Amino acid sequence: EDQVTQSPEALRLQEGESSSLNCSYTVSGLRGLFWYRQDPGKGPEFLFTLYSAGEEKEKERLKATLTKKESFLHITAPKPEDSATYLCAVQAVANYGGSQGNLIFGKGTKLSVKP
Amino acid sequence: NAGVTQTPKFQVLKTGQSMTLQCAQDMNHNSMYWYRQDPGMGLRLIYYSASEGTTDKGEVPNGYNVSRLNKREFSLRLESAAPSQTSVYFCASKGSGFFSSNQPQHFGDGTRLSIL
Repeated sequence: EDQVTQSPEALRLQEGESSSLNCSYTVSGLRGLFWYRQDPGKGPEFLFTLYSAGEEKEKERLKATLTKKESFLHITAPKPEDSATYLCAVQAVANYGGSQGNLIFGKGTKLSVKP
Repeated sequence: NAGVTQTPKFQVLKTGQSMTLQCAQDMNHNSMYWYRQDPGMGLRLIYYSASEGTTDKGEVPNGYNVSRLNKREFSLRLESAAPSQTSVYFCASKGSGFFSSNQPQHFGDGTRLSIL
């Protein structure tokens, strides 16, 4: 069964304290791994897509990396405005065409950055 | 750009009442999705529409129906609401084209639904 597990569930950091969020996945075949940011009362906002092991993507203080079993979202010198829930989702290779775009989401990591 | 628009933003229903949640996208996307998000459960797919004229069940379709009205609009209907359907509902859409299967889904800001 395809599965996505994110850890930790919650993370509290001081401003400037770098850390990483983990996304472990089990899928029959990975088509893509997606990172989203979700603010309270809002829908998920797309951050990155990673397609193959060894790939890295960066945006401001965030860097996402991918291995064959997991992805990390590294946050360098975070600021209070980085506080949000970060969601990881995988898109698996499916046997039937219509579902090939479907995502399997993890439960998210709630990040709080204190000034 | 509006992106994905959901209406209403909030709704309270009584058990047994019916309701339709509306979703519209202005990005000319082929695929559209309905999710529910519950505390500790993550986002779960209810129904999706890979293209105009087609709809398919997702992970948790029981108690729901959908209509892909046209390329822009995808509605979700609760025929007889139950307290277990209290949740936040998100609509999403995904781009078109040859490489569309790898494109990200774009989400609306959700409908917060409470069923008493």
